[in-house]
Amino acid sequence: NAGVTQTPKFRVLKTGQSMTLLCAQDMNHEYMYWYRQDPGMGLRLIHYSVGEGTTAKGEVPDGYNVSRLKKQNFLLGLESAAPSQTSVYFCASFPTPGTDLNYEQYFGPGTRLTVT
Amino acid sequence: AQTVTQSQPEMSVQEAETVTLSCTYDTSESDYYLFWYKQPPSRQMILVIRQEAYKQQNATENRFSVNFQKAAKSFSLKISDSQLGDAAMYFCAYRVTDSWGKLQFGAGTQVVVTP
Repeated sequence: NAGVTQTPKFRVLKTGQSMTLLCAQDMNHEYMYWYRQDPGMGLRLIHYSVGEGTTAKGEVPDGYNVSRLKKQNFLLGLESAAPSQTSVYFCASFPTPGTDLNYEQYFGPGTRLTVT
Repeated sequence: AQTVTQSQPEMSVQEAETVTLSCTYDTSESDYYLFWYKQPPSRQMILVIRQEAYKQQNATENRFSVNFQKAAKSFSLKISDSQLGDAAMYFCAYRVTDSWGKLQFGAGTQVVVTP
């Protein structure tokens, strides 16, 4: 069981470039999330998905798009990167209530993104 | 809107001593969960302890324990017999039971452990 994995681990972009962050989980979890972590602000929810083919906005969705074409994958896209999107990005997954006694979110290792 | 507040940006503790991290939250919900996560320099988010709001008994996990005061909306973490490996950023987090599992985090408290 790899748990939650994120690709890539580091990336440097120039302003205006685009990229996609990939999150994969092998635990058959229904729910998945993208958070960003900035100094002094904790983790904030960008987008989330409650099942294959569904997505919803979180607290800070502007400038990002997501897709959940397969249950195990959740993609985060930046169409035109801005310096304000420099951050550490975390993906997480969560089992359907009642299916996992631990009932907690499982986090990936994070992706450090720098936009210059 | 719910908010989670950690008022201590940094706390310092000597090895073998005890440190308490504070967390307050604002909510109108009655059914929720509270968590403390540890983030070491590796960036990995590690769940330290969890408290269900309907339980009056405070959760304990080895050297980690919480003081949950529901009426005061307070959820502090006590680390006893501190070890060098406890040095990390600690985040308090909140989740409403029927909210698709979404977590709301505080800003974090950096714990420094000195020999």
